[in-house]
Amino acid sequence: ELKVEQNPLFLSMQEGKNYTIYCNYSTTSDRLYWYRQDPGKSLESLFVLLSNGAVKQEGRLMASLDTKARLSTLHITAAVHDLSATYFCAVVVVSPHYQLIWGAGTKLIIKP
Amino acid sequence: SQTIHQWPATLVQPVGSPLSLECTVEGTSNPNLYWYRQAAGRGLQLLFYSVGIGQISSEVPQNLSASRPQDRQFILSSKKLLLSDSGFYLCAWSGRNQRPQHFGDGTRLSIL
Repeated sequence: ELKVEQNPLFLSMQEGKNYTIYCNYSTTSDRLYWYRQDPGKSLESLFVLLSNGAVKQEGRLMASLDTKARLSTLHITAAVHDLSATYFCAVVVVSPHYQLIWGAGTKLIIKP
Repeated sequence: SQTIHQWPATLVQPVGSPLSLECTVEGTSNPNLYWYRQAAGRGLQLLFYSVGIGQISSEVPQNLSASRPQDRQFILSSKKLLLSDSGFYLCAWSGRNQRPQHFGDGTRLSIL
């Protein structure tokens, strides 16, 4: 069974702290996406990771992909309140057809 | 640039009533189209996807159906809504070659 597991599912942290969200998946894939969802809103694409060892950074967020370990991380540096949201990872699989397998999401609350 | 429109934004319907949600994409041709449902506080569940006009694949058996009458139009329907159909419905599109999915603003459906 194809599984994508995110942890933690809920994270409350103080501004200025660092933390990492983990995304483990059970199938072979060399592509992974990270999305952000604000409460009551749609999903916004954050990062596209296309190969083993890929690292992308945008502001205080940095995402990486290790296809051998089937693991992606989303690292938050010096968190600020505006980063409060739910973060989803999604793994690309192509068999039996192209689809995304989604993690359950990590709800991140950053307290001022 | 490509845009995706989804409407209505909010819908309140009685049990047993019909449903029609519409999604259109602009600025691209022959997109892959997707309908997802998100229960409150949960991840995304893929309901339908389409790779072309009239080509619909269903991921989850239920009382919902989807149609693609035109290249950039995707419609989610039901003849009789159930209480369990409540949720946040998201339409998404992607280009070919396994590109990331881009989401509409979503429809929040409440069944009374």
